[in-house]
Amino acid sequence: DGGITQSPKYLFRKEGQNVTLSCEQNLNHDAMYWYRQDPGQGLRLIYYSQIVNDFQKGDIAEGYSVSREKKESFPLTVTSAQKNPTAFYLCTTGNMDEQFFGPGTRLTVL
Amino acid sequence: GESVGLHLPTLSVQEGDNSIINCAYSNSASDYFIWYKQESGKGPQFIIDIRSNMDKRQGQRVTVLLNKTVKHLSLQIAATQPGDSAVYFCAETGAGNNRKLIWGLGTSLAVNP
Repeated sequence: DGGITQSPKYLFRKEGQNVTLSCEQNLNHDAMYWYRQDPGQGLRLIYYSQIVNDFQKGDIAEGYSVSREKKESFPLTVTSAQKNPTAFYLCTTGNMDEQFFGPGTRLTVL
Repeated sequence: GESVGLHLPTLSVQEGDNSIINCAYSNSASDYFIWYKQESGKGPQFIIDIRSNMDKRQGQRVTVLLNKTVKHLSLQIAATQPGDSAVYFCAETGAGNNRKLIWGLGTSLAVNP
């Protein structure tokens, strides 16, 4: 089955630790996106990649890093520099005619 | 610096009434617009889309209206049901921004039985 997956679904992190969120898609789309969503708020773009080996900062890239070594994979690392990392993280892929959303990862910093 | 979050506007309607959710988009060069529904704890789901060469498009119980003159998009839900309770987002894109989706803030719809 084609789709986009994220793991883990829930993630707990101690302050000062880096964590990496996984996003994998087998839909053969070039573009992939990472968004952050805080309670009661809209989606904010962190990073996006239009093609393998290339990515651009979104609106709130500080404290995050990404890589795009393979078309299928777009992992997001939340670094210790991110001051308020507790949030719901969504990965998406697709073209402008259709967007696919992963199930999301809820990150909590303890 | 630290960003300040804005809380979502809320629309409360009675079951069976029609709902109208509004969105002001930012880029006059955007040519494709999408409405998404997000239920609690889930990712957004596609509802309906519209291209800039149209001003109205209808789906099942939903209608999207586009007013390019004032850069305004609206989603109308007919005979609102409790299952329609969710957060609704509009998104825009266009060739001018490298086809990146720009998301609206979102509106929380609460349906009262």
